[in-house]
Amino acid sequence: QVTLRESGPALVKPTQTLTLTCTFSGFSLISNRMCVFWVRQPPGKALEWLARIDWDDDKWYSKSLKTRLTISKDTSKSQVLLTMTNMDPVDTGTYYCARKGPLWNYLDYWGQGIPVTVSS
Amino acid sequence: EMVMTQSPATLSVSPGERATLSCRASQYVSNNLAWYQQKPGQAPRLLIYGASTRATGIPARFSGSGSGTEFSLTISSLQSEDFAVYYCQEYNDWPPITFGQGTRLEIK
Repeated sequence: QVTLRESGPALVKPTQTLTLTCTFSGFSLISNRMCVFWVRQPPGKALEWLARIDWDDDKWYSKSLKTRLTISKDTSKSQVLLTMTNMDPVDTGTYYCARKGPLWNYLDYWGQGIPVTVSS
Repeated sequence: EMVMTQSPATLSVSPGERATLSCRASQYVSNNLAWYQQKPGQAPRLLIYGASTRATGIPARFSGSGSGTEFSLTISSLQSEDFAVYYCQEYNDWPPITFGQGTRLEIK
């Protein structure tokens, strides 16, 4: 059974750095040659792709957020981390991690999401 | 830059009736198109990938069609649990992946 779960702070102040953790089970990044995405959703708005990390440590970032994002993995803990620097109120929303499908870049399993508010 | 346009923004349909949602890509995406369902307070759920292949466990009343730039998701006989927001997502232009703005399917 594949599961993913996001964890991290619910509230960050403007200019601070956000660090989120995605803990997954039911698959192995390395053995199954899988990839994990981060996607976010502002309140009442659409989904936005942020970053992807591959089993071989290739990393991909949204062009508009590239300078602020870092994605990494800890395969020993079955975790993928995302850091976003210089947080702003417009970054408020729900952040999801999701697994890439076995064939292409659709997202077949999602975490429950973690709501993050940026406010002083 | 790829833009995915979904229509209508809101669709009102009665239970038991058919609903058809549309998604248009600004550039050719072949059949590299997925559909997701999202209920309030929940994560998106994969319904369709490859434009027409149902994901594991998805009921047969959900079907996808289209290729190139025009796609549709049809729900043949709406059940109460189907009222939600639906998103399309292309993955032909990787990177990035691009989502549509969503269609809200509401009870008429």
